[in-house]
Amino acid sequence: GIQVEQSPPDLILQEGANSTLRCNFSDSVNNLQWFHQNPWGQLINLFYIPSGTKQNGRLSATTVATERYSLLYISSSQTTDSGVYFCLTDSWGKFQFGAGTQVVVTP
Amino acid sequence: DGGITQSPKYLFRKEGQNVTLSCEQNLNHDAMYWYRQDPGQGLRLIYYSQIVNDFQKGDIAEGYSVSREKKESFPLTVTSAQKNPTAFYLCASSMGRPPSTDTQYFGPGTRLTVL
Repeated sequence: GIQVEQSPPDLILQEGANSTLRCNFSDSVNNLQWFHQNPWGQLINLFYIPSGTKQNGRLSATTVATERYSLLYISSSQTTDSGVYFCLTDSWGKFQFGAGTQVVVTP
Repeated sequence: DGGITQSPKYLFRKEGQNVTLSCEQNLNHDAMYWYRQDPGQGLRLIYYSQIVNDFQKGDIAEGYSVSREKKESFPLTVTSAQKNPTAFYLCASSMGRPPSTDTQYFGPGTRLTVL
């Protein structure tokens, strides 16, 4: 099956810093999503981005499907950005989550 | 309010007992999914359903069973055959049917502990 790797596994940021999270996948996908899991376990949709670039406030994402990766950018990080960020790939009905990037934003 | 509800939030069961986790959605979504999350790990797909009375096994279906008698409901039964059932269980739904899926929306989850 498809392999999904996220990097880095852990990230510690000072408030106000920018960061880039990466999701690599081993096969072609028809869909890709980014989620933020808060400390209570709730998964919050960030982006549905099978290709191209999208922006939502301080967050943006880019997927280059032909090169099999997606990037999530966090700008001007805030303590509320802390949590785990996951990518989910959908390869024509085969769903695979990455292991996540644990982000801690310190005041 | 539209959304996905899961109950209960916390569940404790004795070894050897079956237990059923509830998942309901009022988003009129066709597809529904069950995932399992273990501490420090990503989510793994247990089962998904594209339409009423149809469901497909995911990567870790052994020891679990599901039903889809109504579009709004997709309950998951954790049977005594599941060797390591203690985990966080998340339900999701999406508008499209695999392989043409849309954004997946998640419920708040159920934390199951086997004593």
